[in-house]
Amino acid sequence: DVKVTQSSRYLVKRTGEKVFLECVQDMDHENMFWYRQDPGLGLRLIYFSYDVKMKEKGDIPEGYSVSREKKERFSLILESASTNQTSMYLCASSLIQVNTEAFFGQGTRLTVV
Amino acid sequence: GDSVTQMEGPVTLSEEAFLTINCTYTATGYPSLFWYVQYPGEGLQLLLKATKADDKGSNKGFEATYRKETTSFHLEKGSVQVSDSAVYFCALRNTGNQFYFGTGTSLTVIP
Repeated sequence: DVKVTQSSRYLVKRTGEKVFLECVQDMDHENMFWYRQDPGLGLRLIYFSYDVKMKEKGDIPEGYSVSREKKERFSLILESASTNQTSMYLCASSLIQVNTEAFFGQGTRLTVV
Repeated sequence: GDSVTQMEGPVTLSEEAFLTINCTYTATGYPSLFWYVQYPGEGLQLLLKATKADDKGSNKGFEATYRKETTSFHLEKGSVQVSDSAVYFCALRNTGNQFYFGTGTSLTVIP
């Protein structure tokens, strides 16, 4: 089974802190994604990566950065956390073939206080 | 650009009722289409998919048919159970790397 594992299920951070969300996949997928999910807004793409050290901005990259130093690991960084970044964060991965699906992690519920 | 529109929720059904959740898409070419399910506090899980026109995806009693003429991929189940209560997302993937998701439809099944 493909596994996408996010480092934390729940996180509580203070405003202004630098926050790292880690994601690891074990199926050698080329693509990795970070989404945030908010009620009524569905999933919004923050960043994605199609190869090591490669990244592309999604729909809402402001206030976030990413790192992909190894193929299996994709990190989301909140440079200076703010209360409006309180959300559910979902990591996903996929093969590059367009007829293949994305596999999701269990999600990280981040609260910024 | 590519996009997915799905039926607004929430949807509340009695156990054993018939379920339809509508999904239509906008895309050039021949995208692949997916339905995902999300249980409370969890990530999304693939429910079914179809990768070409007229394909029918099916899993756990759920079905959806890829209709290119109507650009639709409606989710159906003949008899829902309480355990089907979840949020359902329609999604597409086109020629690029990105997935496009609908906003989700919340389903509650009451005994």
